[in-house]
Amino acid sequence: ETGVTQSPTHLIKTRGQQVTLRCSSQSGHNTVSWYQQALGQGPQFIFQYYREEENGRGNFPPRFSGLQFPNYSSELNVNALELDDSALYLCASSLERGSSGANVLTFGAGSRLTVL
Amino acid sequence: AQSVTQPDIHITVSEGASLELRCNYSYGATPYLFWYVQSPGQGLQLLLKYFSGDTLVQGIKGFEAEFKRSQSSFNLRKPSVHWSDAAEYFCAVVPRGGSTLGRLYFGRGTQLTVWP
Repeated sequence: ETGVTQSPTHLIKTRGQQVTLRCSSQSGHNTVSWYQQALGQGPQFIFQYYREEENGRGNFPPRFSGLQFPNYSSELNVNALELDDSALYLCASSLERGSSGANVLTFGAGSRLTVL
Repeated sequence: AQSVTQPDIHITVSEGASLELRCNYSYGATPYLFWYVQSPGQGLQLLLKYFSGDTLVQGIKGFEAEFKRSQSSFNLRKPSVHWSDAAEYFCAVVPRGGSTLGRLYFGRGTQLTVWP
């Protein structure tokens, strides 16, 4: 059983640029969530995708967007990068709503984004 | 306001000593409760969870946690700490209710240092 894999592991961007982060969910999981973890903080929920549609969003602006593909992999896109976007971005997968595993998330190792 | 509080930002213990990490939550109904561990460069690993039933929960790596409804707490314990337990520990909740299914809300974390 493969876990959650994320790419790239590290990247550096400058203000105003755009970034795409990628995530492959754990085998058998069809729900993907993204979290932002700023330095010294706990992760914060960005949004969740289920059946290729956004299924809830946290307190993040529209320049944070995502996609989920038919194979359940996912992308996080951030436009017009700001310095405060520097963080570790974590992807997590889980079983679908209604299942006992819907609230049990498996996390990837994250993508560390630095915005200069 | 709804919140998850980890009052200790940093804890230092000697190897072999016992450990207790505190977590308090403020939600109308008892949420689903979790403890995760994050080692440097790693994603979040689930240690244990509480959904219902027995208030003493056993997890991986010799950890346990006790749910106390009267204190709105879910403290993590280990009777004898190993040097490899040095990491950051996060308490997290999923509020009960369909709209927040699968969305974790994290405390800010407790950094554990283990002295040899």
